[in-house]
Amino acid sequence: DAKTTQPTSMDCAEGRAANLPCNHSTISGNEYVYWYRQIHSQGPQYIIHGLKNNETNEMASLIITEDRKSSTLILPHATLRDTAVYYCIVRVINDYKLSFGAGTTVTVRA
Amino acid sequence: GAVVSQHPSWVICKSGTSVKIECRSLDFQATTMFWYRQFPKQSLMLMATSNEGSKATYEQGVEKDKFLINHASLTLSTLTVTSAHPEDSSFYICSAKGGAGGRDEQFFGPGTRLTVL
Repeated sequence: DAKTTQPTSMDCAEGRAANLPCNHSTISGNEYVYWYRQIHSQGPQYIIHGLKNNETNEMASLIITEDRKSSTLILPHATLRDTAVYYCIVRVINDYKLSFGAGTTVTVRA
Repeated sequence: GAVVSQHPSWVICKSGTSVKIECRSLDFQATTMFWYRQFPKQSLMLMATSNEGSKATYEQGVEKDKFLINHASLTLSTLTVTSAHPEDSSFYICSAKGGAGGRDEQFFGPGTRLTVL
């Protein structure tokens, strides 16, 4: 019952922006969009989340379309350390369970 | 801030023995903790949710008598794998969420790799 769809993998160049798409066409008004990443053999790391508005923090920006059916995570200046699996997750407000899909394997190349 | 630790980081045990994994929130109080399992080349699967001072809620298909969870304080949850078998070998990851007024996201520990011989 995957609620999000992400590309299986993508490459990006070091120093360039990385744009990671996510489709969540069945999202409800009471559901957040969350992004986590998992570097090999480590626990997931929280990146950013949003409800309707675009969000930015020290790690990334999250752009959510007006109809909320898709979003894009932007890593402004990718480094080799950003190589990881990135998970886009839809989560109901006040239900804190996270359901991880397969994610996007991002490889940053020098 | 929002650091979660796990101990041990890896453990090897013989089949039939029990293994306890600790999950601690180091700089915040975690009213809710979650336990996940991740097999090689697969995604994380939620095993159970525990709230401080109450019994854990297990996901469908997870044996509560085999995976004992205790959340006795606001900074500590433990997962005990009882009578472990080779098929229990996996990467076990905990996460913690702060209470009311705290941050809304889950923060994850570094994981514990369990190998059962």
